[in-house]
Amino acid sequence: DVKVTQSSRYLVKRTGEKVFLECVQDMDHENMFWYRQDPGLGLRLIYFSYDVKMKEKGDIPEGYSVSREKKERFSLILESASTNQTSMYLCASTSRTSGSVDEQFFGPGTRLTVL
Amino acid sequence: AQSVTQLDSHVSVSEGTPVLLRCNYSSSYSPSLFWYVQHPNKGLQLLLKYTSAATLVKGINGFEAEFKKSETSFHLTKPSAHMSDAAEYFCVLKFTSGTYKYIFGTGTRLKVLA
Repeated sequence: DVKVTQSSRYLVKRTGEKVFLECVQDMDHENMFWYRQDPGLGLRLIYFSYDVKMKEKGDIPEGYSVSREKKERFSLILESASTNQTSMYLCASTSRTSGSVDEQFFGPGTRLTVL
Repeated sequence: AQSVTQLDSHVSVSEGTPVLLRCNYSSSYSPSLFWYVQHPNKGLQLLLKYTSAATLVKGINGFEAEFKKSETSFHLTKPSAHMSDAAEYFCVLKFTSGTYKYIFGTGTRLKVLA
C-alpha cells in the first residue's frame, strides 16, 4: 500500500519560531509537492520538487523554503512563523512517467497554528 | 489561462438520492482531470481520473464522472448518496504535457441528510 506520511498531524508554534514540516513517501516518486489549504481557497502550491536538490516555486512561496536531500523526503521550512501561516499543510507525490496521467498521492496533512 | 471552477461550494442531499457535483474547466491543451475526496482532518484520496481513453469514468465507492469537451465539464455523480459520502470534493486539472502543475478547484462540501 502506497504511503505518504507527514511528521505531525497537529502543531502549535509561536510567532517568529522556525518550523519544520517533514514529508516522506515510500513509492520512489520523483515529484513531491507542498500545498497549503485554506477554507474557500482550495489547495495552493507552495513549492514543488522534481528531483533531489531540485525545486521550483509554486504560487505562494513567500515566507517558505524547502529542502530535498533524499528522494523520499521533502521538508517545508517556515523561517520565521507568522500568524497568517496558520493553515493546513498537505504534502503530495507523483511519479514522473512520460505520457501517463499521474495522480497525486497525499499525506494526511499537518494542521499548523501559529500564535 | 487554465482554470477549474466548482460551481457549488455546498451541496446537500438526502441519503439514497442522487449526487451531482459540478466542475467546469478551461484549458488550451488537452487536460487530465481528477476528482478527489477529503474527509474531515484527512488528506485527499483519489476518486477517479480522466485519461482520454473513455469519456465516462468510473471511480471508487460508486462515483462516476463524464468528460464533456463541448461543455468543458467534468461533473461527478453518484446514483444514491450514503452518509459516509459526506466530505469535501475537489476537481483538479493537470496539463498532460510539460509542467507538473495541478490546478485545484475551491472544493464542494457535500452534506448528506438522514
